[in-house]
Amino acid sequence: GAGVSQSPSNKVTEKGKDVELRCDPISGHTALYWYRQSLGQGLEFLIYFQGNSAPDKSGLPSDRFSAERTGGSVSTLTIQRTQQEDSAVYLCASSLVLGSRETQYFGPGTRLLVL
Amino acid sequence: SQQGEEDPQALSIQEGENATMNCSYKTSINNLQWYRQNSGRGLVHLILIRSNEREKHSGRLRVTLDTSKKSSSLLITASRAADTASYFCATDAGDSNYKLTFGKGTLLTVNP
Repeated sequence: GAGVSQSPSNKVTEKGKDVELRCDPISGHTALYWYRQSLGQGLEFLIYFQGNSAPDKSGLPSDRFSAERTGGSVSTLTIQRTQQEDSAVYLCASSLVLGSRETQYFGPGTRLLVL
Repeated sequence: SQQGEEDPQALSIQEGENATMNCSYKTSINNLQWYRQNSGRGLVHLILIRSNEREKHSGRLRVTLDTSKKSSSLLITASRAADTASYFCATDAGDSNYKLTFGKGTLLTVNP
């Protein structure tokens, strides 16, 4: 079946604009994760969903970041009033169930550039 | 700070040679995973090792875990040019059963 997909693949925006990043997980996967990867760096955990619920939002860098998941499927990560330091690759992953023992399947990422 | 940190940051070898990458972490873990990333895009899961395991094999991959030293190693034998990628270890903190923390990765270059 299809893997995790993300859109757009690339996004260039101006400082101060809002952006929405979309993630389509693998069908049937109940857990979904968002990460951010800056150039040459590791992955920074942002948020996870179990179903539609996100119990822990502490990884979001600021209150300009928000995420939601509807119908236990598609998730959107919204960044309001973008700043240049938000430039990074945003990666989404899903797993069958929640847990660190689970394999996370990653999408190709959205490369965000804030000018 | 990073839970897992890979060493070396970069490694360049010739095709056919073995590549060894190390990962150190700070707190106790339940599981440790290794992932590969090509060209700065999505990651691909390679192997998972549990805290009560010491060694696992998968094809040309061999992973060891030493919980007393809080370290793991990934060995790729008989490397190929296609193995060129960044390799990350990902650990959970012992009190978390969902959150993975990734290191900064080792960039492996396999020269033909």
